[in-house]
Amino acid sequence: QVQLQESGPGLVKPSETLSLSCTVSGGSISGSSYYWGWIRQPPGKGLEWIGSIFDSGSTYHNPSLKSRVTISVDTSKNQFSLKLSSVTAADTAVYYCARHASAAPWYAMDVWGQGTTVTVSS
Amino acid sequence: QSVLTQPPSASGTPGQRVTISCSGSSSNIGSNTVNWYQQLPGAAPKLLIYSNNQRPSGVPDRFSGSKSGTSASLAISGLQSEDEADYYCATWDDSLNGRVFGGGTKLTVL
Repeated sequence: QVQLQESGPGLVKPSETLSLSCTVSGGSISGSSYYWGWIRQPPGKGLEWIGSIFDSGSTYHNPSLKSRVTISVDTSKNQFSLKLSSVTAADTAVYYCARHASAAPWYAMDVWGQGTTVTVSS
Repeated sequence: QSVLTQPPSASGTPGQRVTISCSGSSSNIGSNTVNWYQQLPGAAPKLLIYSNNQRPSGVPDRFSGSKSGTSASLAISGLQSEDEADYYCATWDDSLNGRVFGGGTKLTVL
């Protein structure tokens, strides 16, 4: 059974870059024919899709965040990663990684990580 | 402000049937399938309904989804206390070329 686990710093200073990784276990990203995505949830608020990536490296991004977001995949580590630059307090949130149910980002996200809290503060 | 509109709250008593709505437009719900997620307090979201009305393995048949035009609904019958959670609808938006979520509905079991 595929499981996802987010990892990365829990505290990031304003204007710096937030970096998170999602490690996939119980299955391989390479050749999986799935899209893999990032979603965030600010405290007390709803879910916001950040972007998704295929094992080939093809990506889709939320237009509102696109200029600050880099999503990449490392098949050798069975991980995919998120970088969000120039962070502000508004980027404070629980960040989730998830798997789309098939080879397109418009499919449902059927497997989720437990989430990791990132606080932006000096 | 979310692209998909959900009521912020809903409530019902045990055994009752409740419905949560999700309103969108022709570029999202009108042309793509809808998913529903359940988020229990302090937990990650869980896929409840995909492709408008399909339940993943393990999801009780008390949960059902439907779609008509640019709106979708999640129905929960035989309401139980453990159904108290936040519920989110989601779909793809062709204009934004991205995934969009509703603002979420907090379901309270009275």
